[in-house]
Amino acid sequence: QAQLVQSGAEVKKPGASVKVSCKASGYGFTDNAMHWVRQAPGQRLEWMGWISVGTGNTNYLPKFQDRLTITREKSASTVYMELHSVTSEDTATYYCARDLELLAGTLDVWGQGTTVTVS
Amino acid sequence: QSELTQPPSVSEVPGQRVTISCSGRRSNIGTNGVNWYQQFPGEAPRLLIHDDDILPSGISERLSASRSGTSASLAISGLQAEDEADYFCGAWDDTLAGPVFGGGTKLTVL
Repeated sequence: QAQLVQSGAEVKKPGASVKVSCKASGYGFTDNAMHWVRQAPGQRLEWMGWISVGTGNTNYLPKFQDRLTITREKSASTVYMELHSVTSEDTATYYCARDLELLAGTLDVWGQGTTVTVS
Repeated sequence: QSELTQPPSVSEVPGQRVTISCSGRRSNIGTNGVNWYQQFPGEAPRLLIHDDDILPSGISERLSASRSGTSASLAISGLQAEDEADYFCGAWDDTLAGPVFGGGTKLTVL
């Protein structure tokens, strides 16, 4: 059974960087893309970017292009999301989510979420 | 950002049928299949329907969905108290080369 387990909550000062991990299990890690989606309190889901786990190719939402890095470590079945120069506007719950297909935007398995507080 | 539009809230009594709409653009719903997600407070979203009308294993057959043009809708029949949650639509956007989501609709079972 496919499962994604994320790292724990983070509290950061403005201007710092935050790195969240997402460990996959129960499926072929390199078969699917992985997305990062965030949700500020009471707000909509906001897609941030994806990584093709097999190739390492990435694509980011333009607003994050300059300060978001998504990487993967195949030997550890883990994907990482690092956001630099955070501000209070980055306070949100961050989710990793597996793409049902190679890359189609259908997010069928989600991590439990990681709360990031910038204060 | 190309975002999808949903009504903020809908409500209905138990046993009845409710629909939730989702509108977008040619670059997303007009071209690609629509997915629907359910989210309870404090939990991660769960995929309910993908590619317009396909129910993953384990999802109640009281749910159905459709897409036409740049709009889509989710229907839940035989409403139960346990259906009370937030529902989000999502679709791949060709311009962004990534998914976009609706603002979410809070379903209240009266």
